[in-house]
Amino acid sequence: NAGVTQTPKFRILKIGQSMTLQCTQDMNHNYMYWYRQDPGMGLKLIYYSVGAGITDKGEVPNGYNVSRSTTEDFPLRLELAAPSQTSVYFCASTYWEQGETQYFGPGTRLLVL
Amino acid sequence: AQKITQTQPGMFVQEKEAVTLDCTYDTSDPSYGLFWYKQPSSGEMIFLIYQGSYDQQNATEGRYSLNFQKARKSANLVISASQLGDSAMYFCAMRGSDDMRFGAGTRLTVKP
Repeated sequence: NAGVTQTPKFRILKIGQSMTLQCTQDMNHNYMYWYRQDPGMGLKLIYYSVGAGITDKGEVPNGYNVSRSTTEDFPLRLELAAPSQTSVYFCASTYWEQGETQYFGPGTRLLVL
Repeated sequence: AQKITQTQPGMFVQEKEAVTLDCTYDTSDPSYGLFWYKQPSSGEMIFLIYQGSYDQQNATEGRYSLNFQKARKSANLVISASQLGDSAMYFCAMRGSDDMRFGAGTRLTVKP
């Protein structure tokens, strides 16, 4: 039982490049979330999903896209990287009918130059 | 819109003493959940405690308790018998209908 895994751990992008941050959970959780954490700040919700095939915008969705084709996977896509997207990205999951604990992945540190 | 406020950027506490970290919130949702997370310097997010808006009793988890005052819209975290390992950032968060909002955090330093 690996919990929530994220890849890569660290990435440097050039302005305008694209990339996908991967997130996988093996706990059969229905809810999954993507957050970003800027230095010295709290987490801000980018997108979330309440189940396979269903996604919705959070507080800061601009510049990102997501998909949820399976229960396990919730990739986050950056299409045209900008310096403002330099941040640490966390994926999280929870199964609300079984309690409210939200499990976080270890994070992906992204630097856009 | 939902809003979470943590007004204490930093707090100091002596080892073995208790400390209260403040959190206030604002929401129009009739049902909501309140969370506290710990983020040590290594960066991972560690779930500490949860309180549902309809829960009658304050949540407790070991040395952590959540002082929930619904009328005042506050959800303060109380850490009893502080340990050096409690030094970290602490975040309050709220789940409304589906999304989650986090406060800016409080950096707690435990002094020996």
